[in-house]
Amino acid sequence: EAGVAQSPRYKIIEKRQSVAFWCNPISGHATLYWYQQILGQGPKLLIQFQNNGVVDDSQLPKDRFSAERLKGVDSTLKIQPAKLEDSAVYLCASSQYNEQFFGPGTRLTVL
Amino acid sequence: DQQVKQNSPSLSVQEGRISILNCDYTNSMFDYFLWYKKYPAEGPTFLISISSIKDKNEDGRFTVFLNKSAKHLSLHIVPSQPGDSAVYFCAASRSISNDYKLSFGAGTTVTVRA
Repeated sequence: EAGVAQSPRYKIIEKRQSVAFWCNPISGHATLYWYQQILGQGPKLLIQFQNNGVVDDSQLPKDRFSAERLKGVDSTLKIQPAKLEDSAVYLCASSQYNEQFFGPGTRLTVL
Repeated sequence: DQQVKQNSPSLSVQEGRISILNCDYTNSMFDYFLWYKKYPAEGPTFLISISSIKDKNEDGRFTVFLNKSAKHLSLHIVPSQPGDSAVYFCAASRSISNDYKLSFGAGTTVTVRA
């Protein structure tokens, strides 16, 4: 069974630029999550999708972050414009029930 | 508001000895707890979990203990092996919410010395 795929693995941008991350969940997993993990902290949930609907986006900074999950499969997370404090690892996870499976993450560095 | 806390950022243990990782939570609505293990440049992987109806769950070398009255759980690894060197995250959720949202602690970095 293929795991959660994410790309790119690394991204370096300057502040005020835009960036997008892609996630392909495990086949058949209805629930998809995006987390932000800042160095020295645990993952923090940004947004949760159930199929292609948003379940929870209360922690998503909506002035600059957006996410979509077209057709209930792949998902993209966008930051526009990026700030220095957005430097973090962005993790995507998917689940069928209560065990979440994580992708390798995208490490974003904002200069 | 940090609802799940891992107060020890690091732990060093000799190979063959026991590793004990601690986790505290503040939200009394949490009733399902998980431990994830993370290697560098990889995503967290599920290790072991426990429901609030139990006070212990064992899986091979890994045992999780839950003390609901103290809102405390711990992960025991025995015997510790070099491959156990990783960051361990404690996570909690409310099963009643049916959305399986996880709140994570900040992690404990375990180093197993040969």
